[in-house]
Amino acid sequence: SQTIHQWPATLVQPVGSPLSLECTVEGTSNPNLYWYRQAAGRGLQLLFYSVGIGQISSEVPQNLSASRPQDRQFILSSKKLLLSDSGFYLCAWSVRRAETQYFGPGTRLLVL
Amino acid sequence: AQKVTQAQTEISVVEKEDVTLDCVYETRDTTYYLFWYKQPPSGELVFLIRRNSFDEQNEISGRYSWNFQKSTSSFNFTITASQVVDSAVYFCALTPPGGGADGLTFGKGTHLIIQP
Repeated sequence: SQTIHQWPATLVQPVGSPLSLECTVEGTSNPNLYWYRQAAGRGLQLLFYSVGIGQISSEVPQNLSASRPQDRQFILSSKKLLLSDSGFYLCAWSVRRAETQYFGPGTRLLVL
Repeated sequence: AQKVTQAQTEISVVEKEDVTLDCVYETRDTTYYLFWYKQPPSGELVFLIRRNSFDEQNEISGRYSWNFQKSTSSFNFTITASQVVDSAVYFCALTPPGGGADGLTFGKGTHLIIQP
C-alpha cells in the first residue's frame, strides 16, 4: 500500500531563516505531488504541484520554492522566512490529474 | 471560475443526532469529480469519498451518506447517529478545471462538534 511521509512534524523558525520541508511517498511510481498551505486552521491553498522529476508548477507567487529531486520526493524551501509563512503545510499525492489526492500528516510551521 | 462553498462554518450537535453538512460548487466543466475529506484535530486530511459528475446515485457507507444533486450543484454529506469521534473539520473539494492547475478546489470547511 502507499504511504506518504512528511517531516518535520513541527517547526519553529525565526524570521529571515531558511526553510526545508520534505515529503516522500512510498508504494507508487511517478505520482503527481502537491504542496498545500492551510493558514489559520482553514482553507487549503495550493502552492506547488509536480507531474515528474524536475517539473514544478507554482500557483501562488511568494518567497517559497519547491523541488523534486527524485520521483517520490518533494521538497518545499525558502531562503528567508516571513511571518506570513506560518501555517500548516500539507503534502499530497495522486496517481494522475483529477484523481483522488492523498495527504500526508502535515508540518506545523511557526515563524517568530 | 471554480468555487466550492461550505456555508456552515461550525455545527454543534449532541451525540446520536443526525447532521448534514452542505456543499455547493461552481464549475464550467461538464465532467468533474467531487470529494469529501475529514480533518481531525491531528491535522491530517483523511479521504472519505470521490464522486463522478455522471453518477448521481446516493452513496451510503455505514453511518455516512452522500447526496449528489447536479441540478442544484450540491454534494451534501450526512452523518447518521453521530459520535464524538466524528468531531472534525470536513472539507468538500472539486477537481481542477479543464486545462487549469492540478490542485483541488477546497471549500473553507465545516467544523463539526459532537457533544457527548
